[in-house]
Amino acid sequence: AQTVTQSQPEMSVQEAETVTLSCTYDTSESDYYLFWYKQPPSRQMILVIRQEAYKQQNATENRFSVNFQKAAKSFSLKISDSQLGDAAMYFCAYRRGNFGNEKLTFGTGTRLTIIP
Amino acid sequence: DADVTQTPRNRITKTGKRIMLECSQTKGHDRMYWYRQDPGLGLRLIYYSFDVKDINKGEISDGYSVSRQAQAKFSLSLESAIPNQTALYFCATSDYGPGAAGELFFGEGSRLTVL
Repeated sequence: AQTVTQSQPEMSVQEAETVTLSCTYDTSESDYYLFWYKQPPSRQMILVIRQEAYKQQNATENRFSVNFQKAAKSFSLKISDSQLGDAAMYFCAYRRGNFGNEKLTFGTGTRLTIIP
Repeated sequence: DADVTQTPRNRITKTGKRIMLECSQTKGHDRMYWYRQDPGLGLRLIYYSFDVKDINKGEISDGYSVSRQAQAKFSLSLESAIPNQTALYFCATSDYGPGAAGELFFGEGSRLTVL
């Protein structure tokens, strides 16, 4: 079974600085998708960014970018110019790429605190 | 209005009571899921349904049952609630097929407390 590991239960960063959240995963598949979800205090789960394993280029969404290292099975999230609204739980998730397997497996999360 | 709606948002109940959490969606997705979130454990899959006639157990289905009443409706039941079922429950939907990444679209969560 696939596993997703987030080894940093908590992180903090000064406002306007850059922070990187770590995620590793275990799979024998070559085709898969990776996701980062954000859960603010409102508890809504919000998709931040996704990465297709077949794409070598790292995904970016405004201040959010990933460092996808397929051989190392690593998928870290970089948040640039941190803002107070970035304070949240962040979950890394994985799913196999073939159709009929759209179940996501989640990591245990990293709580990010923004220091004003 | 939200694309994925869960009711109730919050519920406190007693041990042994039957509880139903309801989920409805307007995204037109065939695939629906129930996840449970516990501190330090992330989200774990309880049940999932790929269409009205297809229901599957997830990794933690014991003590739960589901009903897919229509494409848009998927409910989760706790037949006899126990305190360790206290958690935040999420309903989600996903698209599928060529070109679909299969990301989940979540409801706002139902916080259940079993006393």
